[in-house]
Amino acid sequence: GENVEQHPSTLSVQEGDSAVIKCTYSDSASNYFPWYKQELGKRPQLIIDIRSNVGEKKDQRIAVTLNKTAKHFSLHITETQPEDSAVYFCAASSPNSGYSTLTFGKGTMLLVSP
Amino acid sequence: KAGVTQTPRYLIKTRGQQVTLSCSPISGHRSVSWYQQTPGQGLQFLFEYFSETQRNKGNFPGRFSGRQFSNSRSEMNVSTLELGDSALYLCASTSSPGGYQETQYFGPGTRLLVL
Repeated sequence: GENVEQHPSTLSVQEGDSAVIKCTYSDSASNYFPWYKQELGKRPQLIIDIRSNVGEKKDQRIAVTLNKTAKHFSLHITETQPEDSAVYFCAASSPNSGYSTLTFGKGTMLLVSP
Repeated sequence: KAGVTQTPRYLIKTRGQQVTLSCSPISGHRSVSWYQQTPGQGLQFLFEYFSETQRNKGNFPGRFSGRQFSNSRSEMNVSTLELGDSALYLCASTSSPGGYQETQYFGPGTRLLVL
């Protein structure tokens, strides 16, 4: 089945810096890649997603890039703020895994220091 | 629209007991998926239901089961609880019956502690 690797596991940045989180996936049929943010004690919330027919998507300070050939995708957060501190999860969805199955990376704890 | 809701939010059980968790999807959503979240294994897919039918199942033992009702509300049951079942159980709903490339919206989760 699908396997998603996520790096780094922790990331510390200063406020205003950029943060980049990278994920690789194993199933070349995967075609949907969401990113979730989970604050302590709260539910995962979708922050951005990308589908396999596009290579990049932006939403204000957040962007995601997808390289299908290399089977990796990345989350970019610019001008980080303390409220960006959370655990971020990447995920991949493949028709080979069946309906509504998201395979998640292990998460990245992002700490933004003021 | 109200978001995905889950009840109860917290549960404490002892080994050998069984537990039932409930999930109400966003109004109009017909697909409900369940995930187990633990510090060691992260988020792992349990199963997915659509129109009262289980369409997909993850790699969990048969002690984990679920069902979906005609109003799309879903329950999951864990029998003969083990210490390792302690986790945050999350459900997610999607709007489209297609099941692929669809945004999943998560509930707040039920935190289960097995003693």
